[in-house]
Amino acid sequence: DSGVTQTPKHLITATGQRVTLRCSPRSGDLSVYWYQQSLDQGLQFLIQYYNGEERAKGNILERFSAQQFPDLHSELNLSSLELGDSALYFCASSAGRGDLPNSPLHFGNGTRLTVT
Amino acid sequence: GNSVTQMEGPVTLSEEAFLTINCTYTATGYPSLFWYVQYPGEGLQLLLKATKADDKGSNKGFEATYRKETTSFHLEKGSVQVSDSAVYFCALSDGSGGYQKVTFGIGTKLQVIP
Repeated sequence: DSGVTQTPKHLITATGQRVTLRCSPRSGDLSVYWYQQSLDQGLQFLIQYYNGEERAKGNILERFSAQQFPDLHSELNLSSLELGDSALYFCASSAGRGDLPNSPLHFGNGTRLTVT
Repeated sequence: GNSVTQMEGPVTLSEEAFLTINCTYTATGYPSLFWYVQYPGEGLQLLLKATKADDKGSNKGFEATYRKETTSFHLEKGSVQVSDSAVYFCALSDGSGGYQKVTFGIGTKLQVIP
């Protein structure tokens, strides 16, 4: 058990809809990372938060947004969904501090999103 | 910026064969290096790590040595098993700018056949 909790595990929705994915990081971890993994594109970094602030952005679409709350849990919002958004969405957490670059990432089991 | 280059897969080996998955990196400063493994249907999990030059990380029979002179962190295992079939990701992490920044390679799929 990594200590990272992602909900829901599965989500099936229609094109044009909006969904929210939730992540609770491991206790004590300040940084949360979101990744998208599809069959043909590997692991794509979306966004990173550290202690409530956005720190890095990857290939995140404008239709997607995220935030990290004061209790450090994070939500990824996906809107105007398209068929191509179907993928596994992973959340990971780490200590995140700059003086601890050797802190490993702990991954949740992912949310499988299917857009029909 | 930082980058990690991994050999593309899939890699198909027979059971008990020797495994090498190449990984090279580009980074400023002194990053920490990691290998993660993703078994089918699961999230990534840490396999091993090394935090400074010449360190060797090891776990479950896998090894990788942090080579600063060649900027490499190749993953090796002397005798693979069917249960090692998974996707392997090389990654680096640095703490410049006051927070941890992580860069992953594309992942290498390993298939071990009996």
